[in-house]
Amino acid sequence: NAGVTQTPKFQVLKTGQSMTLQCAQDMNHNSMYWYRQDPGMGLRLIYYSASEGTTDKGEVPNGYNVSRLNKREFSLRLESAAPSQTSVYFCASSAGGGTSGSGELFFGEGSRLTVL
Amino acid sequence: GENVEQHPSTLSVQEGDSAVIKCTYSDSASNYFPWYKQELGKRPQLIIDIRSNVGEKKDQRIAVTLNKTAKHFSLHITETQPEDSAVYFCAAWGRVSSYKLIFGSGTRLLVRP
Repeated sequence: NAGVTQTPKFQVLKTGQSMTLQCAQDMNHNSMYWYRQDPGMGLRLIYYSASEGTTDKGEVPNGYNVSRLNKREFSLRLESAAPSQTSVYFCASSAGGGTSGSGELFFGEGSRLTVL
Repeated sequence: GENVEQHPSTLSVQEGDSAVIKCTYSDSASNYFPWYKQELGKRPQLIIDIRSNVGEKKDQRIAVTLNKTAKHFSLHITETQPEDSAVYFCAAWGRVSSYKLIFGSGTRLLVRP
């Protein structure tokens, strides 16, 4: 039982390059999330997927796209990377939402992305 | 939109003293307010949560209080130890979507031996 697995753990990109961060969970959770963490800024929600087949924007969606491939997998794509997207990206999953009684988020180890 | 404010941003205490971190939220239809701890270089992990049908919840040296009328909740750590040093985040579920968890900006707690 690996929990939430993210790949890659580290990535260096040049401005304008594209890449996809992969995330998979093996806890049969319905909801999945992508956050970014910048120093002093806390965790900011990029996109989330309440259930398979749905995705919604979070606080900072510009410059990103997501795909909920199936119940297990939720990927984050940067189409044209910019230096402002240098950050640590965390994927997370939960069984349900805040009103469901099962809202605990389980995080992956994070992916450190640097855009030059 | 939804907003969670957290204070202080940094907190330094002597080992054995208590630490209090406070959060306010702008609006929420959720009854669930979690606290996460993030050690340096690691992922955030849930340490305690509270639902609006209770005003206080304790787990050993950690307690959380909630005042839903005033829209604020607090984390209390008693008898602090060096291993409590970490960044702590409060969070609240968004009003529009109860699946949208918004975090505060974090409090860096340093416990001096």
